[in-house]
Amino acid sequence: GAGVSQSPSNKVTEKGKDVELRCDPISGHTALYWYRQSLGQGLEFLIYFQGNSAPDKSGLPSDRFSAERTGGSVSTLTIQRTQQEDSAVYLCASSSGLGQDEQYFGPGTRLTVT
Amino acid sequence: DAKTTQPNSMESNEEEPVHLPCNHSTISGTDYIHWYRQLPSQGPEYVIHGLTSNVNNRMASLAIAEDRKSSTLILHRATLRDAAVYYCILREYNNDMRFGAGTRLTVKP
Repeated sequence: GAGVSQSPSNKVTEKGKDVELRCDPISGHTALYWYRQSLGQGLEFLIYFQGNSAPDKSGLPSDRFSAERTGGSVSTLTIQRTQQEDSAVYLCASSSGLGQDEQYFGPGTRLTVT
Repeated sequence: DAKTTQPNSMESNEEEPVHLPCNHSTISGTDYIHWYRQLPSQGPEYVIHGLTSNVNNRMASLAIAEDRKSSTLILHRATLRDAAVYYCILREYNNDMRFGAGTRLTVKP
C-alpha cells in the first residue's frame, strides 16, 4: 500500500512569509509525528498526534509553529513569519498507535528560507 | 526523557559483522530500546526493538545487557547499502520517540 507522503517536496520562501507543510499518513494509522532535521543534524521532535488531538506539543520551538490534524488523517504544519533558522527538512511519520509500533517516515519537505 | 549515548561514527568493511553500541544507563523499567537508521537523503526506517531479551529479525540482531544499561545492534554482514546513521532510542509504552545524534556507519568495499 501507499506509504507516508508529504508535500511539497521542496519549498523556498522569503523570510517573514507563512508556509504550510502537508502530511498524508498511511491509511488507518492513528498516530502521526512531525520532526525537523537541520543539515547534518539528528532529528528534532516537534509534535505528536493521537487521532486529532496532540497530547505532546512540547517540541514546537516557538509560537510561530502550529499543527493540526483533521479527520484523523491529513496533518498540516504551519510556520508563520518564517525565519532563516527555520530552514530544515521537515519529516512526518505515522504509526498504528498501538504498543511499540513502528514509525513509517515520509520523504520529507525541504524548506529553505531566504 | 531517558537519554542514550552512541559513538559519533564507526567504520566497517563490507561483508564483515558490525557491532553498534548504545549506552542508556538511566533506562527505566518500562522503556523499550528501539533502533532506526537513516540512509542518505531518506527518512529514517525502523530496524529493530526489544525490552529485555535479545531479538533477531531479517535486518539485524539486538543484544541487550542483563542490567539493560546498554545494548548493541549487530549487522551480521555489512553491505554498502547499510551505510547510514543509526539511532538508538528509548521509548516508553506508546509514547513518542526522541532521536539523538546517532552513529554514522561507513562501510568500506
